[in-house]
Amino acid sequence: DAKTTQPTSMDCAEGRAANLPCNHSTISGNEYVYWYRQIHSQGPQYIIHGLKNNETNEMASLIITEDRKSSTLILPHATLRDTAVYYCIAEFSSGSARQLTFGSGTQLTVLP
Amino acid sequence: NAGVTQTPKFRILKIGQSMTLQCTQDMNHNYMYWYRQDPGMGLKLIYYSVGAGITDKGEVPNGYNVSRSTTEDFPLRLELAAPSQTSVYFCASSYSPGRGNYNEQFFGPGTRLTVL
Repeated sequence: DAKTTQPTSMDCAEGRAANLPCNHSTISGNEYVYWYRQIHSQGPQYIIHGLKNNETNEMASLIITEDRKSSTLILPHATLRDTAVYYCIAEFSSGSARQLTFGSGTQLTVLP
Repeated sequence: NAGVTQTPKFRILKIGQSMTLQCTQDMNHNYMYWYRQDPGMGLKLIYYSVGAGITDKGEVPNGYNVSRSTTEDFPLRLELAAPSQTSVYFCASSYSPGRGNYNEQFFGPGTRLTVL
């Protein structure tokens, strides 16, 4: 399964775009990139996922490079409630299921 | 829908005691998962189930057992509690990934377990 690398922490000003980078240079062609976040020790929450194309939903945008070795999660207008740990995950197949491996993530702090 | 519920919220065990962490989901999801999260770390998969009667080991299964007799319930059993099992335990569920579904896992609020 592919490993992902993220910065340990980032700050962002409230109202500005938060751009969270992720490296996944060993990702294989059929492994999706998922982003989850975890707010203050609650259970993680799904944000978005993608394979090759850029994706956008009501929460965020996901930009995946053409070689698929890295991606960026964009929160367009960060609020204080977006302060959380953000996990970039390369989904992989093992056993009877497609699994997610949560690394240490990026602690995003949105500053007032 | 209540989503994924877990009981208890907190528990303190003595070394060698046993307990069962309960997990129930009301979304008719086939897939269910148990993770543990140690302080400052990401989540590690303990066991998962792709349907009633089917379970499989994850990354860190030693010291745990699971069963899946119904679609809704996926209890996690600790037989001989050890200090190394002090952690926060999260249960999650999802539709079957693939077949047009994506791997959106819905998580419960967690159980904070301390073994002394």
